[in-house]
Amino acid sequence: AQSVTQLGSHVSVSEGALVLLRCNYSSSVPPYLFWYVQYPNQGLQLLLKYTTGATLVKGINGFEAEFKKSETSFHLTKPSAHMSDAAEYFCAVKKGKLIFGQGTELSVKP
Amino acid sequence: ETGVTQTPRHLVMGMTNKKSLKCEQHLGHNAMYWYKQSAKKPLELMFVYSLEERVENNSVPSRFSPECPNSSHLFLHLHTLQPEDSALYLCASSQESGTRPTEQYFGPGTRLTVT
Repeated sequence: AQSVTQLGSHVSVSEGALVLLRCNYSSSVPPYLFWYVQYPNQGLQLLLKYTTGATLVKGINGFEAEFKKSETSFHLTKPSAHMSDAAEYFCAVKKGKLIFGQGTELSVKP
Repeated sequence: ETGVTQTPRHLVMGMTNKKSLKCEQHLGHNAMYWYKQSAKKPLELMFVYSLEERVENNSVPSRFSPECPNSSHLFLHLHTLQPEDSALYLCASSQESGTRPTEQYFGPGTRLTVT
């Protein structure tokens, strides 16, 4: 069965610092992977996705993620955090249906 | 209107009430979804409609009843709910081709409180 694990339910960084949100998946075949962001009182918005091809995927708002098959990981990064990045982030894998991780809440300190 | 819209945005209902949540997608997609988002829990997929046919029902209690009258509209009819049903209910849509994976587009959700 597919599963997605996000390490750390809450991550706090300072403005301007590197953002690293971790996601590991379990899959017997290469999956399709997604990162979504959810701002307060809103639905989920797609940040980026990996399907095939280049393993480093660039998304919106300066975020990117790298698919590492050997590590079964799809960590999300951003070089410099901005206050507006504070939100909840969800990693998801699609094999048939979309399966979400439990989410990581990102706080950005001034 | 663009994207996926949901009404109402907030709903408070008693356990004996009957209410409906509405979702409309303006993206020309052929699949629609209902999710439940509770605090501290992963998103739970409730129902999937593809080409207006229900293709997935994840052991959801019968007090939740979905309806998909056409490819643009999705309803969730609610009756005799329990306090533990209080959550954010999210609607999503996607264009499923069967060959390529596609992302889902989400509405803003309906915050439901059952008293």
